[in-house]
Amino acid sequence: NAGVTQTPKFRVLKTGQSMTLLCAQDMNHEYMYWYRQDPGMGLRLIHYSVGEGTTAKGEVPDGYNVSRLKKQNFLLGLESAAPSQTSVYFCASLPPNQETQYFGPGTRLLVL
Amino acid sequence: GQQLNQSPQSMFIQEGEDVSMNCTSSSIFNTWLWYKQDPGEGPVLLIALYKAGELTSNGRLTAQFGITRKDSFLNISASIPSDVGIYFCAGPDNDMRFGAGTRLTVKP
Repeated sequence: NAGVTQTPKFRVLKTGQSMTLLCAQDMNHEYMYWYRQDPGMGLRLIHYSVGEGTTAKGEVPDGYNVSRLKKQNFLLGLESAAPSQTSVYFCASLPPNQETQYFGPGTRLLVL
Repeated sequence: GQQLNQSPQSMFIQEGEDVSMNCTSSSIFNTWLWYKQDPGEGPVLLIALYKAGELTSNGRLTAQFGITRKDSFLNISASIPSDVGIYFCAGPDNDMRFGAGTRLTVKP
């Protein structure tokens, strides 16, 4: 049981480039989340998904898109990266009893 | 979405001291969660609270779900160096919101 995994661990982008962050979970969880973490700001929710084929906006969705084509994967896309998107991105999933989220190890993104 | 206000933002304490931090919400929550994040890792759940007034312990950690359902407290007794990290409160809403975190530093 790998839990929640994130790919890549670290990435450097130039302004305007695009990329996709992959989150995968092997626990058959319905709910999945993407957060960004910035110093002094805690974790802010970008988008989330309550099941395969469904997504919803969180607190800070602008500049990001997501897709949940398969239950085990939740993709976060940046179409045109900006320096303000430099952050650490965490993915999480939630089991049916909704008692706690399980977090991935994070992806550190630097946009120059 | 609901806003969670967490305080203090940071704490510098001596090993062996007790620690107390809290979280307040503008609206009612039915569940309060407390997480700890070690450097370079994702948050890990410490304690979950499901009922107003509930007091739950996990080793040296004790958390309480406020009777108004708008606040929660986390206490750490007899702190040790490995308690260092960022502590977050969180509450499930339609999504899952987190407080800004309390950064704890423990001096040996």
